[in-house]
Formats: sequence, C-alpha cells, structure tokens
Amino acid sequence: AQTVTQSQPEMSVQEAETVTLSCTYDTSESNYYLFWYKQPPSRQMILVIRQEAYKQQNATENRFSVNFQKAAKSFSLKISDSQLGDTAMYFCAPRVHNTGTASKLTFGTGTRLQVTL
Amino acid sequence: EPEVTQTPSHQVTQMGQEVILRCVPISNHLYFYWYRQILGQKVEFLVSFYNNEISEKSEIFDDQFSVERPDGSNFTLKIRSTKLEDSAMYFCASQAAGNTIYFGEGSWLTVV
Repeated sequence: AQTVTQSQPEMSVQEAETVTLSCTYDTSESNYYLFWYKQPPSRQMILVIRQEAYKQQNATENRFSVNFQKAAKSFSLKISDSQLGDTAMYFCAPRVHNTGTASKLTFGTGTRLQVTL
Repeated sequence: EPEVTQTPSHQVTQMGQEVILRCVPISNHLYFYWYRQILGQKVEFLVSFYNNEISEKSEIFDDQFSVERPDGSNFTLKIRSTKLEDSAMYFCASQAAGNTIYFGEGSWLTVV
C-alpha cells in the first residue's frame, strides 16, 4: 500500500514569487510514477506535471518543476512566477507502473495554495 | 484536445434512490477509474476497470456500487440505494497505455 503525506495544508504566495509544495510518500515498489494534480475552485482535476521514478532528471513543465529525491521518497513541486490562476488545491499522487492492468493513483490530502496580489 | 466527459454535472436525489453517473472516456483509452471526493476531503479511489472487468476496488466500493461499460464507449457508475454519506463529487478518469490518467470534470451528487 502507498501512503502520501502533504504536510502543508495551506500556503500563500504573492504574485510573481516562487513557492514550493512538499510531498513525501511511502511505497515498496521500485517502478512507479509521480504526479501533481491541481484542483481549482471549479473542482476539475487537472494534471500539472509527472515524473517517472526511474528518471534521475527532474521534470519541468513551463513554470512548474519538481525536486524528486528517490531515496528520501520526496517529490516537491516548485511554482515559479506565480499567477493568480495558480490558486487551487494541489494534490501529490504516486502510481505504481503496471503493464496490462489498471493501476490507481493514491492521493495526498492536498495543499491549498492562495496566490495574492 | 480529447477529454473525459461526465454527465450529469450535478444531481440531487432522495435517500434510497438509485443513481447512475455516466462517463465517456477518451477514445482509445483502455483503463478506467472512478474516484470520489467528499466536500473538503481528499480524493478517494473507488474502482478501476480494464478489459471489461474490475481490476481493483476499494473498501468504499461495496455491494451498493457497480460499474459497467455497456456499449464500448460509456462507462457508468451505479449506486443502488443512495445514502446521505454518498454525497460527494464523483470523478471518472481514463488512461491510455501510457501512464497519465485524465479526469473528467466530475459529477456532484447530493443525497437528501
């Protein structure tokens, strides 16, 4: 079973500043993926970024990047040049890599990010 | 861009009634999921589905719940006799052979 811990229930950042959201997880699997999803007030679940655990290089997607520390089982999300539209709940979610069968995401409790002027 | 579509977006039902939530996954996706999110709480896995059968289900997914893919395009979640505690946002998700799971916009179920 996987467990996910997001230790920051709420965070606030000023527009144009940088913020880092933390996530730690526990898994006995060696082959897995890690995801950050964003849930704005509309409550839609939107993929932000993903990381393959076998890759050492940290994933980057425009203003979003991760700091993946496999040994420490840490997967933090950095948002640069924060924008008002980044205001949302952010969920960290690992997923085991399985071939030929469905494999669920396990969600953390989320971090509510508020971007202010 | 292809997307997962869910209907209805919002449904109010009386306790004890049956509810069917519908989802149209992204075409050519193979794996399908239902999750739920009670207001203010985290997203919980309900069930996964592949090759016309359930791959995995959580403890939440008891005999009151069932899933079906009746016509090769729709993927439905049925709750036979709704309870007040079934009030939640229900998300359908689908996945191709790759590893990213895409979510629909959710169906907000209110049981009164």
